[in-house]
Amino acid sequence: KNEVEQSPQNLTAQEGEFITINCSYSVGISALHWLQQHPGGGIVSLFMLSSGKKKHGRLIATINIQEKHSSLHITASHPRDSAVYICAAPNTGNQFYFGTGTSLTVIP
Amino acid sequence: DAGITQSPRHKVTETGTPVTLRCHQTENHRYMYWYRQDPGHGLRLIHYSYGVKDTDKGEVSDGYSVSRSKTEDFLLTLESATSSQTSVYFCAIRPGPDSGNTIYFGEGSWLTVV
Repeated sequence: KNEVEQSPQNLTAQEGEFITINCSYSVGISALHWLQQHPGGGIVSLFMLSSGKKKHGRLIATINIQEKHSSLHITASHPRDSAVYICAAPNTGNQFYFGTGTSLTVIP
Repeated sequence: DAGITQSPRHKVTETGTPVTLRCHQTENHRYMYWYRQDPGHGLRLIHYSYGVKDTDKGEVSDGYSVSRSKTEDFLLTLESATSSQTSVYFCAIRPGPDSGNTIYFGEGSWLTVV
């Protein structure tokens, strides 16, 4: 069983739709990362959060430590948001648990 | 953006040949990681380093070796490449434990073994 689970695996949306990607984890963590990877591209860190909510432009990330759950929301989605989104959490051994990613396609 | 450079970015090699991927950082971060990314598996840790000459194995280390002789460079070597090692390889860096949990990734190295 993966310590970090993401859903859905694949997501297709129309431009302008509100999008939610979920991440659940089964271990105690000190922080959670949301990463973005465009097709054929590198991996970029969008957010690192340990509590509450963070917002950057049209992206919002929330985390509920008690429920061991985090969500990434994209408001007014755009085709350029098409990417793989990965949640990741550092473990106590200086390594990271990674979700398998959510592949998002936004259709114009 | 964190200063991480991976080289080569793309490589095609033949089965049985040795291959070395280089990760270079300008951030003086303590931790460096090599991951491979494959469809359906996500990012999997190959090896990581927690200091010069200090390395440890990850979950998919078979067939790979690493070296870190300087803080800024972390080398991943495939001693005898196999087709199963065709993948995208990412280097990542992270400050020490007292500097938070930020992680930065390189741009990736696409390796094809034919």
